[in-house]
Amino acid sequence: GAVVSQHPSWVICKSGTSVKIECRSLDFQATTMFWYRQFPKQSLMLMATSNEGSKATYEQGVEKDKFLINHASLTLSTLTVTSAHPEDSSFYICSARRDLEPQNTGELFFGEGSRLTVL
Amino acid sequence: KQEVTQIPAALSVPEGENLVLNCSFTDSAIYNLQWFRQDPGKGLTSLLLIQSSQREQTSGRLNASLDKSSGRSTLYIAASQPGDSATYLCAVSQGAQKLVFGQGTRLTINP
Repeated sequence: GAVVSQHPSWVICKSGTSVKIECRSLDFQATTMFWYRQFPKQSLMLMATSNEGSKATYEQGVEKDKFLINHASLTLSTLTVTSAHPEDSSFYICSARRDLEPQNTGELFFGEGSRLTVL
Repeated sequence: KQEVTQIPAALSVPEGENLVLNCSFTDSAIYNLQWFRQDPGKGLTSLLLIQSSQREQTSGRLNASLDKSSGRSTLYIAASQPGDSATYLCAVSQGAQKLVFGQGTRLTINP
């Protein structure tokens, strides 16, 4: 099956620092990846769509300068939380669509998530 | 705006029982619906994917149905086991694979 790996799975940082989270598709190419955010006991909210070789598309209300997304290759997308503050503490999950899957109806594969705690 | 609702929010049943989880959505213009499992502090595991043209999908003890016109889906779990304890999420796709998730049902199977 398709595997999506996230790193780190858990990170604690001081307020004001920046944190980078990686999302890799291990055994397939993914031109498109998605970043979600999940607060405790709440559902996942889509933050942005990451596209290899072009700028990410952000959902309404998500600050693009705060959450920098870089999709540098067909197997790697990164999310950088810049100048992190305690309210950015959350569970961040990425997903990826295999390039062979249909754009609208294909299955998405999810990473294990990255828990960010900002002190 | 698409809204996805899952009922109940939490469910606790004895081991061995059959159970049904419900998911409803407000906009029937969907491409597909997926059911996921999420263990505490973990990512999502895809359980079943139902395309909009399909009525149901089965995998082992799991069966998911889709009634697009009424905006409903159910996940049926047969002969529940303690290992089934997790949060179950349903999500609908409205194109470009943007998924809209429900709040989830937290399931506990008691030995």
